[in-house]
Amino acid sequence: ELKVEQNPLFLSMQEGKNYTIYCNYSTTSDRLYWYRQDPGKSLESLFVLLSNGAVKQEGRLMASLDTKARLSTLHITAAVHDLSATYFCAAGYGGSQGNLIFGKGTKLSVKP
Amino acid sequence: DVKVTQSSRYLVKRTGEKVFLECVQDMDHENMFWYRQDPGLGLRLIYFSYDVKMKEKGDIPEGYSVSREKKERFSLILESASTNQTSMYLCAGRRGGSYEQYFGPGTRLTVT
Repeated sequence: ELKVEQNPLFLSMQEGKNYTIYCNYSTTSDRLYWYRQDPGKSLESLFVLLSNGAVKQEGRLMASLDTKARLSTLHITAAVHDLSATYFCAAGYGGSQGNLIFGKGTKLSVKP
Repeated sequence: DVKVTQSSRYLVKRTGEKVFLECVQDMDHENMFWYRQDPGLGLRLIYFSYDVKMKEKGDIPEGYSVSREKKERFSLILESASTNQTSMYLCAGRRGGSYEQYFGPGTRLTVT
């Protein structure tokens, strides 16, 4: 059974600092997703990682995937207040059906 | 732009009522999904559909049913609402052969 664990679940950062959110998954998965959710809003897709060693970057966020370690990371560089949100990772299963198992989310708060 | 819409942002229903949550997508997505989101639990898959009139149970289908009579519309039905079904409900769509799931804005349902 595929399970996804994120840590930390809560993260309070100062502006300008770097930090990493970790996402472990328990069995083989062929794709890994990162989503952002602002309070009261829906999920916004950030990254889809499809292969071992995949790295994607958008602004101050960089995501990577290590399928051998069953680990994905979301690295935040020089955090700014606008990055405050909840971040979810999700692992894909079910082949063409495209089902996802989500982690519990990391609530990020960036303080001045 | 991909668009997934949900019929209501907020809904208040009484215990025992039959509740319909509607989801419509305009991107010809084959696959559609219903999730519920609860604090500290992340998103959990209730039901999904990969074609018209097709449906599959997700991880927590008990107390729910679904209907997909047209490709663009996927309905979640609570036959007899209970207080433990108070939650945020998110619909998502995915085009066959694509990896992205696009989420609707969510319906916050309160059952009293």
